[in-house]
Amino acid sequence: EVQLVESGGGLVKPGGSLRLSCAASGFSFSDAWMNWVRQAPGKGLEWVGRIKSKTDGGTTDYATPVKGRFTISREDSKNTLYLQMTSLKSDDTAMYYCSFRQAYWGQGTLVTVSS
Amino acid sequence: DVVMTQSPLSLPVTLGQPASISCRSGQSLVYSDGNTYLNWFQQRPGQSPRRLIYKVSNRDPGVPDRFSGSGSGTDFTLKISRVEAEDVGIYYCMQGTHWPPTFGPGTKVDF
Repeated sequence: EVQLVESGGGLVKPGGSLRLSCAASGFSFSDAWMNWVRQAPGKGLEWVGRIKSKTDGGTTDYATPVKGRFTISREDSKNTLYLQMTSLKSDDTAMYYCSFRQAYWGQGTLVTVSS
Repeated sequence: DVVMTQSPLSLPVTLGQPASISCRSGQSLVYSDGNTYLNWFQQRPGQSPRRLIYKVSNRDPGVPDRFSGSGSGTDFTLKISRVEAEDVGIYYCMQGTHWPPTFGPGTKVDF
């Protein structure tokens, strides 16, 4: 059974940093292209970015609002996906989900950016 | 970015009756490989999104057959043949043809 479990969310001040993790199980994580998607409170879904498998180059792509501030990485030996977020703004307040093939989603971890 | 629009944004439904949601994209979603990467998601209150339909009309495993997807090019539809109580939630279309993937604003389905 595919499982994705996000962690690392919390309250952070504007300009601060936070690293989210997504622990994956039930599939071949090293072969997977993984994604981060977020949802601001009461709002719709927004793609944050993705990372390809190392076999496919391991490259990353980001949505414009987070480019240059967020970094997606992976640690295949630990079946874990990361989202390093820096220079956080109030607009980054959201539930952050990791997703595999768009068919599998974690339960999300809430990030609140507020002073 | 490709803009996705949905209508209606709010859909009052009746148990046992059909329901339909429209999704339109700002440009064709036909990819160079010939596939059309249009998905539909359901998000029940307090839950993570769940994919119902991929590539326009393919149901994900475990999705009831009362859900169906259709369309082509820029116009797509999600239909529920007979609404059940568990279908309450917000439905999103999403295109994966053009980077970045983009979602529609969502359609709230409620009684």
